[in-house]
Amino acid sequence: GAGVSQSPSNKVTEKGKDVELRCDPISGHTALYWYRQSLGQGLEFLIYFQGNSAPDKSGLPSDRFSAERTGGSVSTLTIQRTQQEDSAVYLCASSLAQGPGTQYFGPGTRLLVL
Amino acid sequence: KNEVEQSPQNLTAQEGEFITINCSYSVGISALHWLQQHPGGGIVSLFMLSSGKKKHGRLIATINIQEKHSSLHITASHPRDSAVYICAVPNYGGSQGNLIFGKGTKLSVKP
Repeated sequence: GAGVSQSPSNKVTEKGKDVELRCDPISGHTALYWYRQSLGQGLEFLIYFQGNSAPDKSGLPSDRFSAERTGGSVSTLTIQRTQQEDSAVYLCASSLAQGPGTQYFGPGTRLLVL
Repeated sequence: KNEVEQSPQNLTAQEGEFITINCSYSVGISALHWLQQHPGGGIVSLFMLSSGKKKHGRLIATINIQEKHSSLHITASHPRDSAVYICAVPNYGGSQGNLIFGKGTKLSVKP
């Protein structure tokens, strides 16, 4: 079946612009995670959803970052007033349920802020 | 909050060698993940384990919950195994789904 998909695959934007990143999880997966990998850095957690609610937003680096999930499926990560330090690969993963389940990763969105 | 340490950071091996990558963490967990990140950036989940040992092909993962330590072994390594291997555990221990990651081990297998 189809895996996790993300769009766009690449995004170049100017500093100060807003961007939206989209994640389509595997059908039936109730848990959805957003992670970020900056150049030369490890993966870091941003936010996760169980259904449409986000029990843990602790990883969001600032109030310029927000995310929503509708219908228990598609999720959008929005970055307002982008800064150069936001440049990174943004990865989405989904799993069947919250808890220690295998997470399936999407291909990521490579964001470059000029 | 959990902390994850991986070693070695970089590893170069000759084809056919036995590879071991180590991971230790600070807060008790119910499951640990091993991930593989290909040179192109894609991430694949290799194992999720709670106890003992799991094997898939030439890959073996072990975990010792009491010692808060896990190892990933690759037998008869091959150049196609070249990738970054990442250990991940629940951020706040227990069975939470959101993960904290080790810095990764970059493996290069030479023919």
